[in-house]
Amino acid sequence: SAVISQKPSRDICQRGTSLTIQCQVDSQVTMMFWYRQQPGQSLTLIATANQGSEATYESGFVIDKFPISRPNLTFSTLTVSNMSPEDSSIYLCSVERGLSYNEQFFGPGTRLTVL
Amino acid sequence: EDQVTQSPEALRLQEGESSSLNCSYTVSGLRGLFWYRQDPGKGPEFLFTLYSAGEEKEKERLKATLTKKESFLHITAPKPEDSATYLCAVQARDSSYKLIFGSGTRLLVRP
Repeated sequence: SAVISQKPSRDICQRGTSLTIQCQVDSQVTMMFWYRQQPGQSLTLIATANQGSEATYESGFVIDKFPISRPNLTFSTLTVSNMSPEDSSIYLCSVERGLSYNEQFFGPGTRLTVL
Repeated sequence: EDQVTQSPEALRLQEGESSSLNCSYTVSGLRGLFWYRQDPGKGPEFLFTLYSAGEEKEKERLKATLTKKESFLHITAPKPEDSATYLCAVQARDSSYKLIFGSGTRLLVRP
């Protein structure tokens, strides 16, 4: 498995501001992912972050709104920009690990509330 | 379009009352089907990956099975600590490692 930490664990932010979420893994991984879990709903992939290349965004998510950095093989950040109440969600990072390298392990999540 | 449907949405069991959760899927070539457990306020906890029809995996009171169209998570003699939301996800055999999640089954086990 993998030990994944996220900062902050939760935050309450004002409309129009931005928040950067950090994800730290205890060992080097090739692929890191950012998911969103809106209240009462399941997880939706925002983007895939690979070290040394631009993040790949899913349909409905854009770089200007959710810029991602991946400076090395153990760390990534997701910024939620120009926030609105609709951005209130849990944001989770995950990494690809396992014997077959197709098992994904999740961090504890960042609970974001936008007022 | 790749899709995952879980049923029931919620399930209440008495301690010791065995049952099954269902995950139906459509995917353009399955790389793997994943089961996770999620407790309130926490990230999903990885349980199993199944790769091909007929495969089964077990962990304590949980057993996951896979067919070409669906997966079952069997819970034998559940305990209150098994109460959680159980999520199913599929990964398609293309260049992406994206997981497509179902909406989950909320399980409550009463003592």
